[in-house]
Amino acid sequence: GESVGLHLPTLSVQEGDNSIINCAYSNSASDYFIWYKQESGKGPQFIIDIRSNMDKRQGQRVTVLLNKTVKHLSLQIAATQPGDSAVYFCAVRNTGFQKLVFGTGTRLLVSP
Amino acid sequence: DAGVIQSPRHEVTEMGQEVTLRCKPISGHDYLFWYRQTMMRGLELLIYFNNNVPIDDSGMPEDRFSAKMPNASFSTLKIQPSEPRDSAVYFCASRRDGINNSPLHFGNGTRLTVT
Repeated sequence: GESVGLHLPTLSVQEGDNSIINCAYSNSASDYFIWYKQESGKGPQFIIDIRSNMDKRQGQRVTVLLNKTVKHLSLQIAATQPGDSAVYFCAVRNTGFQKLVFGTGTRLLVSP
Repeated sequence: DAGVIQSPRHEVTEMGQEVTLRCKPISGHDYLFWYRQTMMRGLELLIYFNNNVPIDDSGMPEDRFSAKMPNASFSTLKIQPSEPRDSAVYFCASRRDGINNSPLHFGNGTRLTVT
C-alpha cells in the first residue's frame, strides 16, 4: 500500500525566514499531490496542489516542488510568519482512486 | 460558502453508549469522506460516498461503525457500542466531481472522548 513519510517531525524557524517541508511517497502511480495546513482545533486546510505532469507550482508565498524520479515532494513557504505555525501534511492520490493518503505531518514553529 | 459543517464539536460519552456524528458537506460537492485522526495513526480514511452511495468502506474498523448518507446534504457516522479506543477526532470532508483533481475540503471535526 501507499506510505507517505515526512523527513522531520518539527521544524523551527525565525519569522521572515524561508521554510522548507519535505515529503516522500512510495507509489509511482501517484498522480496528484496536495499540501494541507492544520491549526489547533481545526480541520486540515488546503494550501496548494500539483499534478504529476508538473514539477513546480507557485501560490501566494508558497511553492510546491515535485520530483517524481525520487518520489519527493516539498513545500516552500517564503517569509514565514507566526501565523504559519501549524502542522503541515502532504497527501497523495493514485491514478483512478479517490483515496488520499496522508503523511504523518510536520509541525512548523515560527518564532518572532 | 459555509464550508463543511460538523456537529457536535465535542462529544464525551461512556463506553457502551451509542455515538452519532453529523456532517453537512459543501453544497454541490459529490463526494463525501469520513476520516479519523489520532496521534498514533494520523489521518485514516474510514469510508467515502459518491452521490450519496457508499463506495469504499474498507477503512471502517469494525461492525460497530456505520455510516449513512440519506441525501446530498447530510451524512452520519455512528458508533455502537462505543469503546475507549474510539477516542479520536473525526473529520468529514467533501469535494466536487467533474474536476479530476479537486482537493478535499475538511470540516473542523468532532473530538470524541469515550471513557
